[in-house]
Amino acid sequence: DAKTTQPPSMDCAEGRAANLPCNHSTISGNEYVYWYRQIHSQGPQYIIHGLKNNETNEMASLIITEDRKSSTLILPHATLRDTAVYYCIVRLPAGGTSYGKLTFGQGTILTVHP
Amino acid sequence: GAGVSQSPSNKVTEKGKDVELRCDPISGHTALYWYRQRLGQGLEFLIYFQGNSAPDKSGLPSDRFSAERTGESVSTLTIQRTQQEDSAVYLCASSPVQGFKNIQYFGAGTRLSVL
Repeated sequence: DAKTTQPPSMDCAEGRAANLPCNHSTISGNEYVYWYRQIHSQGPQYIIHGLKNNETNEMASLIITEDRKSSTLILPHATLRDTAVYYCIVRLPAGGTSYGKLTFGQGTILTVHP
Repeated sequence: GAGVSQSPSNKVTEKGKDVELRCDPISGHTALYWYRQRLGQGLEFLIYFQGNSAPDKSGLPSDRFSAERTGESVSTLTIQRTQQEDSAVYLCASSPVQGFKNIQYFGAGTRLSVL
């Protein structure tokens, strides 16, 4: 699985957009970008994933650069409840030996303040 | 159920005792994973079950750790002769249809404290 690099921490004001970057310069052509988050004392929660097109769901938007070497997770209107550690993970989706464990790096600690 | 359920939510045990942790995956999910998370650390993969295939046990840290799963239902993680370094949150996750798109749904975890 490709390695990812994320800033260790970010701050965001409540109600503003939170833009969390992730670098994955060694990503291969069929690897997806996944985002999970972990709120304090809870298990990780899936947010969104994408291959090369931008994606949007009820939680967030994912912008992937054209060369796929980096991506940005966007929380359009951050709330205090969005304070969490956000993990960017790059891997193949499923099949053969590629399914199985997720490898979580250190992630980005996002703090949303009033 | 609506989500992955783990029990107990907290477990305090004495060094040397055996413990058993339980995970009820989301109904219909064929894949089940166990992870460990020490305080302030990231997730460590322990074991992965997929249908009737042989489990991937590559992450189990020692032979004191074992896990079972009956079909596509409940799984139990057993730690024998617990040590203080086993203290951690043990997380279970499940996925539908052969780890579809690798979306894993996590339980709240079992916090194990070994005194």
